[in-house]
Amino acid sequence: DTGVSQDPRHKITKRGQNVTFRCDPISEHNRLYWYRQTLGQGPEFLTYFQNEAQLEKSRLLSDRFSAERPKGSFSTLEIQRTEQGDSAMYLCASSLIALGDSEAFFGQGTRLTVV
Amino acid sequence: DQQVKQNSPSLSVQEGRISILNCDYTNSMFDYFLWYKKYPAEGPTFLISISSIKDKNEDGRFTVFLNKSAKHLSLHIVPSQPGDSAVYFCAASRALYGNKLVFGAGTILRVKS
Repeated sequence: DTGVSQDPRHKITKRGQNVTFRCDPISEHNRLYWYRQTLGQGPEFLTYFQNEAQLEKSRLLSDRFSAERPKGSFSTLEIQRTEQGDSAMYLCASSLIALGDSEAFFGQGTRLTVV
Repeated sequence: DQQVKQNSPSLSVQEGRISILNCDYTNSMFDYFLWYKKYPAEGPTFLISISSIKDKNEDGRFTVFLNKSAKHLSLHIVPSQPGDSAVYFCAASRALYGNKLVFGAGTILRVKS
C-alpha cells in the first residue's frame, strides 16, 4: 500500500459546475477525514467517517457539499454549483483508531480552482 | 476562535544549528498533539506526536516538548538540514472529538546552507 491516494490532483471548473473528488485511504484504516486548506492557513476540518458512517460535519460544509464512504473503503466529496470561494486544496487523511491516539496520514490533495 | 496558534509566520536558521518552532493552544481538553511538515503542492507529512500524558517525545533529529500548564508545545530540529525547509504545522486533537485535527496556520522554516 502506497498511502492515501487522491484523484484528481488538479481540477479547474467553471462557476456553477459540479465537481467530485475521490480519496482512497490506507487499506486497514477505519477513519477517513476531509480537510480544506486555503493559502496561508492550516487545513480546516470538513467531515469524517468511521468505516461507512459519517460521524461529523463541520459548519464549513454547506448544503452544496456532500461526502460519502460506501462500504467503508474509498470516499467521495462532491461540491454542487461551485463558487469561486470554493477554490482551495482539498485534503483527505486516514487513520487507524484502535486503542487510543493515532496519527492521520494525508494524501497529496486535490487543488480546485473555480473560474 | 483560533484554538491552535503558531505566532511565527517564518523562521530562518543556519544549517547545522537548532530550529525551534513554537505552538500555543487554548483548549485544555486537547489530549494529543502532532507536527506535520508540508512541501508546496503536497499534502502534510506526519513528523512526530506527543500525548498529553507526556512532556517530551524524541525521534531522531526531532523532539517535541509539551508544557501543559502553559498550553505550549515546541518542535526542536537538531541539526537542521536544508531539506528541512518547508512549512511546519502544529495540530491538536481529542479522542472525544473524533481525533479530528485542529491546525495552526503554519511556520515557514528556511534552513540556509
